[in-house]
Amino acid sequence: ILNVEQSPQSLHVQEGDSTNFTCSFPSSNFYALHWYRWETAKSPEALFVMTLNGDEKKKGRISATLNTKEGYSYLYIKGSQPEDSATYLCAFYNTDKLIFGTGTRLQVFP
Amino acid sequence: DAGITQSPRHKVTETGTPVTLRCHQTENHRYMYWYRQDPGHGLRLIHYSYGVKDTDKGEVSDGYSVSRSKTEDFLLTLESATSSQTSVYFCAIRTGDYGYTFGSGTRLTVV
Repeated sequence: ILNVEQSPQSLHVQEGDSTNFTCSFPSSNFYALHWYRWETAKSPEALFVMTLNGDEKKKGRISATLNTKEGYSYLYIKGSQPEDSATYLCAFYNTDKLIFGTGTRLQVFP
Repeated sequence: DAGITQSPRHKVTETGTPVTLRCHQTENHRYMYWYRQDPGHGLRLIHYSYGVKDTDKGEVSDGYSVSRSKTEDFLLTLESATSSQTSVYFCAIRTGDYGYTFGSGTRLTVV
């Protein structure tokens, strides 16, 4: 069974703080790594799909990097806002399936 | 959202009863997936389909069966619901090489 791990499990930050989380995945047979933002009672919202080693992607204040050789990806949020509060999921694409990590739950306090 | 709908949105059922959840897409995508979401577990794959009548198991398939008799519908059945199957169920479609779109979820409570 493929293992996708995320850390930390949860994070509480103050508004304006910058933060980052980690996703670890198998480094062999890599195809793609996904990041999703998920709020309770809503469907997961795609943030990034990363396919190349060294990829860096950015969407507003959120960015992500990818290291396929060592099997990790970082998600960064610059200047966190209360509306950034959500669970951030990474998912490893393998043989037609997405294997998800357990997520990092972020809470941003005003 | 991107042509994928789940029904019902909420359901309460009794232990031991059969339950069927439906995922419907309007865009003719080949791959469809059922996940369940539980606290501390992220999203776990139950079953998926790669075409009409072509399905395969995911990591938590015990107690679940699926059917896909036409491209647009992927059904998830709990033959005899148990309390451990209380969860939020998400359907997803693969929309491109690596793109996925999720449905809005079905909240199932087994009492």
